[in-house]
Amino acid sequence: DIQMTQSPSSLSASVGDRVTITCRASQNINSYLNWYQQKPGKAPNLLIYAASNLQSGVPSRFSGSGSGTDFTLTISSLQPEDFATYYCQQSYSTPHTFGQGTKLEIK
Amino acid sequence: EVHLVESGGGLVKPGGSLRLSCAASGFTFSSYNMHWVRQAPGKGLEWVSVISSSGSYMHYADSLKGRFTISRDNAKNSLYLQMNSLRAEDTAVYYCAREMRGGFCSTASCYGAPSDYWGQGTLVTVSS
Repeated sequence: DIQMTQSPSSLSASVGDRVTITCRASQNINSYLNWYQQKPGKAPNLLIYAASNLQSGVPSRFSGSGSGTDFTLTISSLQPEDFATYYCQQSYSTPHTFGQGTKLEIK
Repeated sequence: EVHLVESGGGLVKPGGSLRLSCAASGFTFSSYNMHWVRQAPGKGLEWVSVISSSGSYMHYADSLKGRFTISRDNAKNSLYLQMNSLRAEDTAVYYCAREMRGGFCSTASCYGAPSDYWGQGTLVTVSS
């Protein structure tokens, strides 16, 4: 199985900050990397798919990059509603494994 | 509007069985691969299983093979997860999710597309 490792596991930041979350795959997954946001008690919400494609309706302050084994999710200017947990997921091959999550908290 | 509504969760004893359902509406269900993903209390997301749009291909997390069975009824716009020999570690919220168009399934794997719509989840608690 492909292992997905996110860093950091948690992050404290302020409104207006630029933040970056990284995700590393244990093997080459080309660009089959997706990012989700999850708020407490809610289902995950797709933000970015195929490494850099912004899902419809997602604000443009979210962006993704990378290919192969190393990927990043960047939020250009944090808004209050962005404080949540973020997960990467590979869809290169089943099982479609998730990273362990990055909890983004208010500083 | 796409809607996915899970049902069938509840309290079950270790070793017991449960069948989850996911009712889909607002899209052509038979055209989409469908997934189950679970989340243990306070933990991260864990991918469980996928079934191709026709129901021809199914894949599972290695740790669940032999105990869980995914199926679908395209005439009823419904997805199912039969869970047998349940353990305490199966306690989780179970989500059904629609895979975005563009993915591909074979006997070896399903690959390519993320899950773009999710249900609200149903809680399964395995406890004596």
